[in-house]
Amino acid sequence: AQTVTQSQPEMSVQEAETVTLSCTYDTSESDYYLFWYKQPPSRQMILVIRQEAYKQQNATENRFSVNFQKAAKSFSLKISDSQLGDAAMYFCAYLPFGNTGKLIFGQGTTLQVKP
Amino acid sequence: DTAVSQTPKYLVTQMGNDKSIKCEQNLGHDTMYWYKQDSKKFLKIMFSYNNKELIINETVPNRFSPKSPDKAHLNLHINSLELGDSAVYFCASSQRDRVYFGEGSWLTVV
Repeated sequence: AQTVTQSQPEMSVQEAETVTLSCTYDTSESDYYLFWYKQPPSRQMILVIRQEAYKQQNATENRFSVNFQKAAKSFSLKISDSQLGDAAMYFCAYLPFGNTGKLIFGQGTTLQVKP
Repeated sequence: DTAVSQTPKYLVTQMGNDKSIKCEQNLGHDTMYWYKQDSKKFLKIMFSYNNKELIINETVPNRFSPKSPDKAHLNLHINSLELGDSAVYFCASSQRDRVYFGEGSWLTVV
């Protein structure tokens, strides 16, 4: 069974600085997708970034980028120029290839941004 | 125009009651889901429906019964509510690798 592990329950960063959130996963599949979701206190699930496992190039979305290491089964999220609005819980998620939509989530990392 | 909408957003009810949460998506997706986020904020899939047919049932107690009258709607009915059912329940729909979540329904059982 696939699993996703986020080993950092809490992280903090100074406004305007860079922070990296860690995620590792376990799977025997070769094709899959990986995501980072942001969940503010409102509990809305906001997609931050997605990565297709068959693509070697790391995904980027403005200030957000990932470091995808397929062999190591690692998928970290880097937030550059951190803003107060980035404070939230961040979930790493794995999705098997195919239209199952069965997202498997990590435990989450709470990010605090200090002014 | 909300893509995945669920009602009610907040629900406080007593132990032993029966309650329902409704979900509708206007994205034309074939697949819909219910996820549960517990008090520790851990998110886990409960059910998945594809074109009105149940395809995933993740060892959820029989007190939880999903119903899909058509592929745009997936409702969750919970019988004999228990304190441990207090959680945020998310409806979602998907097309391939694109999963869209509703805003969540906060259920509190007292």
